[in-house]
Amino acid sequence: AQTVTQSQPEMSVQEAETVTLSCTYDTSESDYYLFWYKQPPSRQMILVIRQEAYKQQNATENRFSVNFQKAAKSFSLKISDSQLGDAAMYFCASGCEGDKVIFGPGTSLSVIP
Amino acid sequence: EAQVTQNPRYLITVTGKKLTVTCSQNMNHEYMSWYRQDPGLGLRQIYYSMNVEVTDKGDVPEGYKVSRKEKRNFPLILESPSPNQTSLYFCASNSGLEQFFGPGTRLTVL
Repeated sequence: AQTVTQSQPEMSVQEAETVTLSCTYDTSESDYYLFWYKQPPSRQMILVIRQEAYKQQNATENRFSVNFQKAAKSFSLKISDSQLGDAAMYFCASGCEGDKVIFGPGTSLSVIP
Repeated sequence: EAQVTQNPRYLITVTGKKLTVTCSQNMNHEYMSWYRQDPGLGLRQIYYSMNVEVTDKGDVPEGYKVSRKEKRNFPLILESPSPNQTSLYFCASNSGLEQFFGPGTRLTVL
């Protein structure tokens, strides 16, 4: 069975600084995807970044990047130059194409002005 | 605009009163899911559907029903709601590489 663990229930970062959110996962699948979703106070689920497990290169989307360590089954999210609008709940998730997606419990990120 | 819609957005009801939360997507996706979100537990899948008339249980299906008579619609039915079903519910449709979520339904069962 797939599992996703986020060991940091809450994190905070100073505006303009960098923060890293941790995620570990476990799966028996060989072909899978990893995701980070952002959930602001509006509750909308927003895809931040996606990583295909077969790709060695870490995914990057503007200020958001991941550190994907396949052997360690680790998938951390780095947010650079943090902005007030980054304050949200962040969910790490794992899934296979056309199949269910398993979510971690979430990390609540606060951004301090 | 590609989207998943859910209705209602907020619902307060009483124990045992049947209710339906509707979900519709306009992206022609085959795979659709229902999740519930509870503090400290993340999103847990209730039911999913891989195509019309094909549905299956997710991780927490007890107390819920679904149907998939049309590709675009995937309603969630609570035949006899109980207080432990108070939660935030999300419908999602899946293109394979990304899930598109509805805006969520906040359900309170008294």
